Amino acid sequence: ILNVEQSPQSLHVQEGDSTNFTCSFPSSNFYALHWYRWETAKSPEALFVMTLNGDEKKKGRISATLNTKEGYSYLYIKGSQPEDSATYLCAGANQAGTALIFGKGTTLSVSS
Amino acid sequence: SAVISQKPSRDICQRGTSLTIQCQVDSQVTMMFWYRQQPGQSLTLIATANQGSEATYESGFVIDKFPISRPNLTFSTLTVSNMSPEDSSIYLCSVELTSGTLGGYTFGSGTRLTVV
Repeated sequence: ILNVEQSPQSLHVQEGDSTNFTCSFPSSNFYALHWYRWETAKSPEALFVMTLNGDEKKKGRISATLNTKEGYSYLYIKGSQPEDSATYLCAGANQAGTALIFGKGTTLSVSS
Repeated sequence: SAVISQKPSRDICQRGTSLTIQCQVDSQVTMMFWYRQQPGQSLTLIATANQGSEATYESGFVIDKFPISRPNLTFSTLTVSNMSPEDSSIYLCSVELTSGTLGGYTFGSGTRLTVV
């Protein structure tokens, strides 16, 4: 995976709103897709690792889907809270044991 | 899961000087990765550091500018040499939790570097 793209670049929502972002990647040579949550001055926190077409994973109010045939993944946040404010990174790999290739991230800001 | 201690957390440096960033892992890991994020850009891989061999650098990064040490399986350093304002970035180290990317990766908390 040579190029991972994320949209939108930034997003501002009100507390309680649900939101979603997109990660796109080349569908050829796909191996795994990772989502991370990154708050300022902290380590990126792993959210999901996804490998199979049609995968859906959930962690509390956050969920993600994967479509490897068309090369995209969605991250959903239900009922956004101010503590969800962070940059959400998507990263891909085209084989095991290699470094991840990251998108530029989507920066989410949630107002109370 | 592995825990990485990265330092310094931030620094402001004069152009022309060098800064060494350290990452200490609480368990032995085969590969360590060094990334940087310039303002408005993605996390970009600088190099992969294996213990006992020279680091492998990505296109656009060279050893003279970013020398890396990997003296053992729990420690690595990245030096940013002869700094210029363009080197102002967040630098992160990362390790693979288990073999293969399915295991996920863990990261240090980053070094926020400003070059003036």
